Amino acid sequence: ETGVTQSPTHLIKTRGQQVTLRCSSQSGHNTVSWYQQALGQGPQFIFQYYREEENGRGNFPPRFSGLQFPNYSSELNVNALELDDSALYLCASSSLAAGEETQYFGPGTRLLVL
Amino acid sequence: GENVEQHPSTLSVQEGDSAVIKCTYSDSASNYFPWYKQELGKGPQLIIDIRSNVGEKKDQRIAVTLNKTAKHFSLHITETQPEDSAVYFCAASDNNDMRFGAGTRLTVKP
Repeated sequence: ETGVTQSPTHLIKTRGQQVTLRCSSQSGHNTVSWYQQALGQGPQFIFQYYREEENGRGNFPPRFSGLQFPNYSSELNVNALELDDSALYLCASSSLAAGEETQYFGPGTRLLVL
Repeated sequence: GENVEQHPSTLSVQEGDSAVIKCTYSDSASNYFPWYKQELGKGPQLIIDIRSNVGEKKDQRIAVTLNKTAKHFSLHITETQPEDSAVYFCAASDNNDMRFGAGTRLTVKP
């Protein structure tokens, strides 16, 4: 176990709705990265948060947004859900300031958009 | 941006045989190359990683090699066991942007 937790484990939404996913980072880690993993594919980088600010972003539209809190936990928000947003959403924590970029993943949140 | 290609997409070996998975990357700025194992219903688990200043790293039955000039790196699993069966992902990172390969489904037959 990595110590990275995510909630909820599963979620069903309908098209057009909004969703918030949560991640608690491993103790001692100050950086959280979010990934989208479609069925049968590798994780795709959404964005990374370091010291409560976005520190890099992949090729995802602005309706994907995030937050990082002073305790380093993080949220991923997706607005105006589309069917293609159905996927496993993974967060990974790391300790960027220490120069240690190794990322440890949580179990993921499986989102189904109907 | 970085593009990571991974081969093969599926690999079936007999228990005790070796398994090799290969990846190539495009961005010469990438300097960190982890390998993850993902079992059904779980998040990816780091199994080994290598940095750009090292050519090879070994941890028991698992080894990784890196050729920076050719921009490719490989995972080697020796003496495979049925519990090694999973999907394996390679990744390449330049500090805050990690790109993954599409994965290799490894099946180890008893």
